[in-house]
Parts: sequence; C-alpha cells; structure tokens
Amino acid sequence: GQQLNQSPQSMFIQEGEDVSMNCTSSSIFNTWLWYKQDPGEGPVLLIALYKAGELTSNGRLTAQFGITRKDSFLNISASIPSDVGIYFCAGQLFGNEKLTFGTGTRLTIIP
Amino acid sequence: GAVVSQHPSRVICKSGTSVKIECRSLDFQATTMFWYRQFPKKSLMLMATSNEGSKATYEQGVEKDKFLINHASLTLSTLTVTSAHPEDSSFYICRLAGANNEQFFGPGTRLTVL
Repeated sequence: GQQLNQSPQSMFIQEGEDVSMNCTSSSIFNTWLWYKQDPGEGPVLLIALYKAGELTSNGRLTAQFGITRKDSFLNISASIPSDVGIYFCAGQLFGNEKLTFGTGTRLTIIP
Repeated sequence: GAVVSQHPSRVICKSGTSVKIECRSLDFQATTMFWYRQFPKKSLMLMATSNEGSKATYEQGVEKDKFLINHASLTLSTLTVTSAHPEDSSFYICRLAGANNEQFFGPGTRLTVL
C-alpha cells in the first residue's frame, strides 16, 4: 500500500537539542497525525492536525499542517531521554477511517 | 483515552499451527477495527478493515483465508493466523475507530513462528 515519505529516516542527537522531521505525500490529506512508538508497543497519538496551515503544540512538541495539504512537520524542542523512539506521521481523508502511514523517523539520543 | 488490550502480547508457535490474537476494548465501542502488521524497523502496513458483524475487507496482497478476522462485537476483534510460517513472524497491532473520528491503537502482539 501507499506510504508517506518521512525524513530523516533516523536521527542521532544529544539531549537538549531540538529535533525536526517532516512528512510528504504525492496526494493531499484532510488530517495529519503524528504518533510515537516505543519498542514493543503500539503507536501513541501525539498531535492531530485538521486544517491546512494549522500549527499545533503539545508541550515541547509542535506540528504543522502544510498549506498544500501534502506535507507536515513535527518539531521537538529541548529533547529528553524519553523522546527516544520511532515517530510516524499518518494522513487521513475525510469520511475515510483508513490511515496512510509514513516510513518513520527513529530518534536516538547520544549520551 | 480508551483502554485497549491485545492478547497474547507475545506468542511463539511452531510452523503449521494457528494462532489467535485478540484485540479488546474495555471502555470504547469501535465501529471499525483495523489490523496492521509491522516488520522490524518498518512502518505499519494495513492488513484489513472490519466492521462489527460484517466480513472484513482485506488489503491487496493479504490472504483472507490465511488471516481470519472476526469482529465479534463493538469491543472485540480477533485475528487468526492460520498455518503460520516463519515469514508470518511480525508485530501485529489493532486499531479501533469510533464515532467522532476517535481512534486508539492496541499495544501489539509479537508473533514468532519457529
């Protein structure tokens, strides 16, 4: 099935650094979602975006819904050890409960 | 958020056997349930979509006779991997969707086929 392109594929950062990752699609979506997945667990929703251009924050996390509706980015400020994991974007169309997932960004914090 | 459980959380079985995975919600009524498969270091791939009381809709390339889905109620769905083979070893995750676009993932089940 279709997957969204997510970049970077992996990131190695030091604690305290800011993180930025993005997700692009060849087609538009009406909703963008960002999830975090810890090893051996299911994804957990971080932020949901419903409107083009929308900028939404959740604590140290900020995400934006691209104007073209074909992209979204997620920023994490002042990273901490518990931010380690895999981050997935997902796109959704109105009236369709299916999600199309991104390829994932693996975040590792270097001691 | 809703409390969603999957049972078992881990299972190891011999090649050729069948394995049933349950996805259950304690406090959320899901009109639609989704089953995903995730290989190591890969993204989630949708296998099938099911609504209560009706047959599941499978994604292209997913064998419906091999991956049997039963959406028994608004709070329970099961995925049975029949005649499992080592290539079926994966992480299986359910997702529940309800009214108002609410949605919750299960914690996943790690299947290892020897």
